[in-house]
Amino acid sequence: DTEVTQTPKHLVMGMTNKKSLKCEQHMGHRAMYWYKQKAKKPPELMFVYSYEKLSINESVPSRFSPECPNSSLLNLHLHALQPEDSALYLCASSQEGRETNEQFFGPGTRLTVL
Amino acid sequence: AQSVTQLGSHVSVSEGALVLLRCNYSSSVPPYLFWYVQYPNQGLQLLLKYTTGATLVKGINGFEAEFKKSETSFHLTKPSAHMSDAAEYFCAVSSYNFNKFYFGSGTKLNVKP
Repeated sequence: DTEVTQTPKHLVMGMTNKKSLKCEQHMGHRAMYWYKQKAKKPPELMFVYSYEKLSINESVPSRFSPECPNSSLLNLHLHALQPEDSALYLCASSQEGRETNEQFFGPGTRLTVL
Repeated sequence: AQSVTQLGSHVSVSEGALVLLRCNYSSSVPPYLFWYVQYPNQGLQLLLKYTTGATLVKGINGFEAEFKKSETSFHLTKPSAHMSDAAEYFCAVSSYNFNKFYFGSGTKLNVKP
């Protein structure tokens, strides 16, 4: 299984809502990533988990809260988002600790904040 | 620090013509370079990667890239474009703390019939 899955595919939420994005992989990868991608832009790294521990937080606002319950799962909890947070949210995974290892991306969650 | 620059935000070719997408890198250490493709409303798919060894790298869907250290380049080519190649292409370099990719700004490839 060389797939990263993400749910939901689409999400519409109000600024007062709480929602979560889910990501799953079964490739035995120990590094997992959240990216935010705006239209016509490259992905922007948000968080990196390494062996289920947060290793990189790219100064992301606290209204985004990541969680890695186990080595296969990655969640992104959303609360009190702003309309400018509307974007495609991508999850990725890779083998840990080797700069030569490519990242495998999921299909993304298209988030719209009203 | 590592970075990549993609020249040309839009490239348009006719079906059957050569595809050339440009990527130049900046790195103080030997770079590890990647090309990804993204179709509309989808995630990124790896086309090919250069780590060490052979400088001409072959990837999926008939794409290849050549690592040229003297030119700090890693351009992506395909001899004959197909309509299905229309997509956004990203060049990336990985960091030496292993867990960060630095993406270029992307090149949108349009293929005309």
